[in-house]
Amino acid sequence: GESVGLHLPTLSVQEGDNSIINCAYSNSASDYFIWYKQESGKGPQFIIDIRSNMDKRQGQRVTVLLNKTVKHLSLQIAATQPGDSAVYFCAENESGGSNYKLTFGKGTLLTVNP
Amino acid sequence: KAGVTQTPRYLIKTRGQQVTLSCSPISGHRSVSWYQQTPGQGLQFLFEYFSETQRNKGNFPGRFSGRQFSNSRSEMNVSTLELGDSALYLCASSLSRGMGIQYFGAGTRLSVL
Repeated sequence: GESVGLHLPTLSVQEGDNSIINCAYSNSASDYFIWYKQESGKGPQFIIDIRSNMDKRQGQRVTVLLNKTVKHLSLQIAATQPGDSAVYFCAENESGGSNYKLTFGKGTLLTVNP
Repeated sequence: KAGVTQTPRYLIKTRGQQVTLSCSPISGHRSVSWYQQTPGQGLQFLFEYFSETQRNKGNFPGRFSGRQFSNSRSEMNVSTLELGDSALYLCASSLSRGMGIQYFGAGTRLSVL
């Protein structure tokens, strides 16, 4: 999920396949994580969140996995549809301190081929 | 329930000018955060307001400022615009501080010529 410079990691899948988008986060004190989806010309849209006391959380067609040992998040999308094509961001937050802000990864561009 | 509303959607300014962007949070939300999004740097935190007070600030120069009103609506201001300020400015609101989903508006696209 992390990108270097201007280049977004890209993932291209066929309609109906499952997609897995990965994200490495930076702050070991982060205890709350969110996945967002951003379509062209729109603001980020909430998909699913997970707290650090959980390893896995499921939503409708989406699952988030959290591995705190290696500071890694993944978003799994089942039966990917063309409407899922977008840039996906992971975001982390350290809620215990006085800082309340989301730190975003660079994003992954998901393209779903019909 | 209406979402986060940002106005205007698009702005074109020239270097040296100043600009004010507006954000109306979701009704009942008291925390408003601002982010700058550029192709090179991605989404970067600018500042957060809660109860009309700036609670947290990102690593941006003093030309970037903001405020929050008693109805939780927020504005951000950029003075002495530079070409590098061209970006999508996003506002997000949440019920309160700490953990919680931040809901984003569609953003204001600022172009500095």
